[in-house]
Amino acid sequence: EIVLTQSPATLSLSPGERATLSCRASQHIHNYLAWYQQKPGQAPRLLIYDASNRATGIPGRFSGSGFGTDFTLTISSLEPEDFAVFYCQQRSNWPLTFGGGTKLEIK
Amino acid sequence: EVQLLESGGGLVQPGGSLRLSCAASGFALSSFAMSWVRQAPGRGLEWVSTVTADGGSTFYADSVRGRFTSSRDNSKNTLYLQVYSLRAEDTAIYYCARVWIDWYFDLWGRGALVMVSS
Repeated sequence: EIVLTQSPATLSLSPGERATLSCRASQHIHNYLAWYQQKPGQAPRLLIYDASNRATGIPGRFSGSGFGTDFTLTISSLEPEDFAVFYCQQRSNWPLTFGGGTKLEIK
Repeated sequence: EVQLLESGGGLVQPGGSLRLSCAASGFALSSFAMSWVRQAPGRGLEWVSTVTADGGSTFYADSVRGRFTSSRDNSKNTLYLQVYSLRAEDTAIYYCARVWIDWYFDLWGRGALVMVSS
């Protein structure tokens, strides 16, 4: 099973700042990684797929990068509605696995 | 409107069973593989199961294999998850999710809460 490790567990930033979230895979997964955002009481929402492609309707301030084992989600300038929990997910191997999440909170 | 709506959750005793349903609207379920993903209270996301578009193949997490069964009725635009031999650790919100680009999830339902307790 591929283990995804997200860091940091919690990130405290202010609106307007840049956020950088990390996801590390326990083995090579090419670019087969997605990022999701989940707000309290809501279902997750797909943000990025195949490491760097924005899903439909996702604002340009969200970007993804990485290949192999190390991946990054960047939010260039935080808006108030961006604060949430973010998960990465790999589709390289079964079982499909998610990272433990990074909580992005308002400082 | 394109959406998924789960139903069938509730409180069940350890060892019990129930069936979750996921009704799709606004799109043809038959065109997509579908999955179940769960989230224990205050915890992260855990993939549970995936069934291919025609229902011909199913995949399960080790934690539920042999106890959970995914199926679908494309004529009713509905996905099912039959769960047996429930344990306390199965307590979670169960989301159905549409599979996209083998195997991401681009559309999620609101979830159904399953609580396993005596």
